[in-house]
Amino acid sequence: EAGVTQSPTHLIKTRGQQATLRCSPISGHTSVYWYQQALGLGLQFLLWYDEGEERNRGNFPPRFSGRQFPNYSSELNVNALELEDSALYLCASSSRGGQGEREQYFGPGTRLTVT
Amino acid sequence: AQTVTQSQPEMSVQEAETVTLSCTYDTSESDYYLFWYKQPPSRQMILVIRQEAYKQQNATENRFSVNFQKAAKSFSLKISDSQLGDAAMYFCAYIDNFNKFYFGSGTKLNVKP
Repeated sequence: EAGVTQSPTHLIKTRGQQATLRCSPISGHTSVYWYQQALGLGLQFLLWYDEGEERNRGNFPPRFSGRQFPNYSSELNVNALELEDSALYLCASSSRGGQGEREQYFGPGTRLTVT
Repeated sequence: AQTVTQSQPEMSVQEAETVTLSCTYDTSESDYYLFWYKQPPSRQMILVIRQEAYKQQNATENRFSVNFQKAAKSFSLKISDSQLGDAAMYFCAYIDNFNKFYFGSGTKLNVKP
């Protein structure tokens, strides 16, 4: 069974540009979560998509947005990039079910560097 | 609001020894799940162990076990017979009734040979 995949592995952008990060969940999983992990810090929740809908978002400005496609893959867009957006962006997927069944399976991440 | 706190940014343990990582959380919910995740250097995050708040029995997975104190809102992870491969960042996490995850800031575990 293929795991969660993310692309690209690394992304280098300049301040003010836009970045698009992609995530493919495990087959059968309908939920996709996005997290930002700045160097040396924990995971900050960004967005949660389930069945194509945005279910919840963290305390991030509106320039962080995304969507989920009919095949449950997801895209994270970051507009007007700022230097502090440099971080590892992790995607995780989970299946439907109760809280205990929502174990998250993580992808390898996309390292975004803003110069 | 739910919060998860890991007060130990970094810890070290000798190979074959036992180490305990601390985690406290804050919630007003009565039933929920708690998780410990492991993030090895340059590798993907994986689930180590999970605990349902409704169950009084502490979860155990081989060398990993938890000490769950619901009243104290404490959820520590004990690693017995530590191995070099246990070296990683460990994150404590909580999932609320809206299926939103909250992660602690992590504890970096070093294992000395």
